[in-house]
Amino acid sequence: DVKVTQSSRYLVKRTGEKVFLECVQDMDHENMFWYRQDPGLGLRLIYFSYDVKMKEKGDIPEGYSVSREKKERFSLILESASTNQTSMYLCASTPGGVNTEAFFGQGTRLTVV
Amino acid sequence: QQQVKQSPQSLIVQKGGISIINCAYENTAFDYFPWYQQFPGKGPALLIAIRPDVSEKKEGRFTISFNKSAKQFSLHIMDSQPGDSATYFCAASKGSNYQLIWGAGTKLIIKP
Repeated sequence: DVKVTQSSRYLVKRTGEKVFLECVQDMDHENMFWYRQDPGLGLRLIYFSYDVKMKEKGDIPEGYSVSREKKERFSLILESASTNQTSMYLCASTPGGVNTEAFFGQGTRLTVV
Repeated sequence: QQQVKQSPQSLIVQKGGISIINCAYENTAFDYFPWYQQFPGKGPALLIAIRPDVSEKKEGRFTISFNKSAKQFSLHIMDSQPGDSATYFCAASKGSNYQLIWGAGTKLIIKP
């Protein structure tokens, strides 16, 4: 079974803190994604990476950065957390190729106070 | 042109009934249309997917109907069960899997 593991289920951080969300996949997938999920807005792509050290902006990259130093690990960084970044964050991975299945982690519920 | 519009936002169906969720898209270049199912506390998981060269795909109680001319596709859940209660997302992509465009989601509740 493909496993995508996010380091935390729940996080509470203070405004202005630097926040790291970690994601690890164990199936040697080329592509990794960070999404934000908010009610009524679906899944919005923050950043994705198609190779080690490569990253591309998604639809809502402002206030976020990412790091992919190893193929299996993709980190999302909130440089200075704000209350409007309170949300559910989902990591996903896909193998190379066209129109392949996306495998998701269980999500991290981040609350910024 | 990149949007996928999903309706309804929420849906309550009696056990044994048919649940229907609809999605519409604008970009005719989309060539892959998956549906994902998400249970509370879990990430979404692929349920069923269709390509535009077929009008219908069935897997067990789940069917995707695809209308290329109307640029619409829908998920039908036959004999809906309480265990089907979840949030369902439609999505679309073209060529590369990098950019899955997601619908807003439908929260489905099946009443026993």
